[in-house]
Amino acid sequence: GEDVEQSLFLSVREGDSSVINCTYTDSSSTYLYWYKQEPGAGLQLLTYIFSNMDMKQDQRLTVLLNKKDKHLSLRIADTQTGDSAIYFCAEILSGGYNKLIFGAGTRLAVHP
Amino acid sequence: DAGVIQSPRHEVTEMGQEVTLRCKPISGHNSLFWYRQTMMRGLELLIYFNNNVPIDDSGMPEDRFSAKMPNASFSTLKIQPSEPRDSAVYFCASSFGLEGDEQYFGPGTRLTVT
Repeated sequence: GEDVEQSLFLSVREGDSSVINCTYTDSSSTYLYWYKQEPGAGLQLLTYIFSNMDMKQDQRLTVLLNKKDKHLSLRIADTQTGDSAIYFCAEILSGGYNKLIFGAGTRLAVHP
Repeated sequence: DAGVIQSPRHEVTEMGQEVTLRCKPISGHNSLFWYRQTMMRGLELLIYFNNNVPIDDSGMPEDRFSAKMPNASFSTLKIQPSEPRDSAVYFCASSFGLEGDEQYFGPGTRLTVT
């Protein structure tokens, strides 16, 4: 079945790197996403990776994809207090119409 | 563009009452999605439309829930009658509809049913 799993909570010290992990099930997913949700707001696309890539870097963000293990990770370098939020991993279901399956979200807490 | 607009932002109602949530997608987007977020169940896709036509409503919890999209710029999600377990944040999102296009989320409607 369709399932995306993430750990629920991560706490890091300001300035350290954060790594949020995710596993997904649909091996035919063409896109995998990381969305960010700040308190009281909707989700906002943070970054994505196409399934034929192993890594994507965008400023402080690095996405790693291991297709064999169906494992996706998001690394945030030099984590700041403004990075405190819930991070959702999502896979797109093959078959069109842009239907996404989201994980439960990882709450990132950044402390001084 | 103002982004996806949802109204109301907060709704408090009594059990048994009808609730209507509204969404205006981003102009030019042809796919619209309704999600529900709760602590227990996370983010669930309820229904989505493409070109105003419902494509998949398998996530709609039960017959008390219904959604319509009469035109490209407006959609409603109705709950009748509402129950306390419907309390959640309901999000609307829209996209261009092609596989891989970013979904843009609205700010959500926080529904509390007492």
